[in-house]
This record gives sequence, C-alpha cells and structure tokens, in this order.
Amino acid sequence: GQQLNQSPQSMFIQEGEDVSMNCTSSSIFNTWLWYKQEPGEGPVLLIALYKAGELTSNGRLTAQFGITRKDSFLNISASIPSDVGIYFCAGQLSPSNTGKLIFGQGTTLQVKP
Amino acid sequence: ETGVTQTPRHLVMGMTNKKSLKCEQHLGHNAMYWYKQSAKKPLELMFVYSLEERVENNSVPSRFSPECPNSSHLFLHLHTLQPEDSALYLCASSQEIGRANEQFFGPGTRLTVL
Repeated sequence: GQQLNQSPQSMFIQEGEDVSMNCTSSSIFNTWLWYKQEPGEGPVLLIALYKAGELTSNGRLTAQFGITRKDSFLNISASIPSDVGIYFCAGQLSPSNTGKLIFGQGTTLQVKP
Repeated sequence: ETGVTQTPRHLVMGMTNKKSLKCEQHLGHNAMYWYKQSAKKPLELMFVYSLEERVENNSVPSRFSPECPNSSHLFLHLHTLQPEDSALYLCASSQEIGRANEQFFGPGTRLTVL
C-alpha cells in the first residue's frame, strides 16, 4: 500500500534551535497536511497545503508542498518547550470519494529548556 | 478544543464484554472517520462516513461495528475484542470528503483489552 516516510523519527533539541522534518513518498499527493499531537490528545491541524511549491506559515511554523508533489517539509523556528509533541504529516493521493489520508509515522520532538 | 468530542476518554474491557465508543462533532461537518492509533505505527483509517453513509471500510474485523445515526454523531460498537485491539481510537470530521480534506480530530478513547 501507499506509504509516507517521515524523518527524523525523533529529535531532542535545545530551546531556541530551529527544527526541520520532512515526509517523502513514491506516490504523487494532491494535499499535504501537518498535525501536532500532545500526550492524551488527538492530532491538531497545523498547516494545510494544496498546490505544488506552496509555502505556508503559521507563526513560527513553515511548511512547503514539494515541487514534485512527492514530499513536504515542516520547519519550526526558535523552538520553545511547548513545541514538545509528535508531529505527523498526512497526504491525500487524489480528489477522493472516500476522504482517505495517508499518515507518516510521526516525529517526536523534545525540547530542553 | 477542536469541536470534536469523544467519550469515554479511557475504557478497560474484557474480551467478552460489549462496549461502545461515542463521537460527536459540533462543526456542521458532513464526513466523519474512525482511526486506530497504535504505538510506533501510523494512524490507521478504519471507517469513513459521508452524510451518514459508510463510504469506506478499511478491512476492519467484524468485532468493530460502526454506526452513524446522523451527521453529528458516530459510534463504534465493540464486542469480543482481542488484547491486540488495545490502542487509542480517534474520531475525526471534515466538511466533506474531497480535495480540501482538512480533518479535525477528537481527543481519542484509550482502550485497553484485558
């Protein structure tokens, strides 16, 4: 089946550092979404991308939809302790009548104050 | 608060029990989803409902039985589960299923099967 390869699997960084994570696939996606999940909660949508090459920011977060439509990255600038959590990418292969999203395995981020 | 609520938040059940998970969305969305989240694995889509009609059943065992009585409510009925079914079960909703598929998740039900 279709897979998204998300990397890195985990990161342990110092407060104030910038963070970068990415997702790649062998398939072409029409939509990329980035979610954050904190302990005991469901994933919360951070950024949605709909066009190849699109670059979108949400505060200190920036995400891009790769030109090849097979990858996306998420950057977090000047990390703070509340950035801790698991970040997931998700993609939709095509306008779908089933709404199916493919999820990455997640990147666990820990921030040391 | 995403506008999607789930109850109970935690559930412990034996393999012979019957229980139900409930999801409610207050967003006026037309599509609802059940996902299973196990440790170290990507989210697994279980079921999709659009306007109360099931449009996807992702090879889920029959011991999981979904019900969508209206577009705001979604249930997952559980019976004779196995210990490997222990996981976080997440409900999500979206305005519609289609290209702009921004799904909003509930907090999940942490299920433990003994």
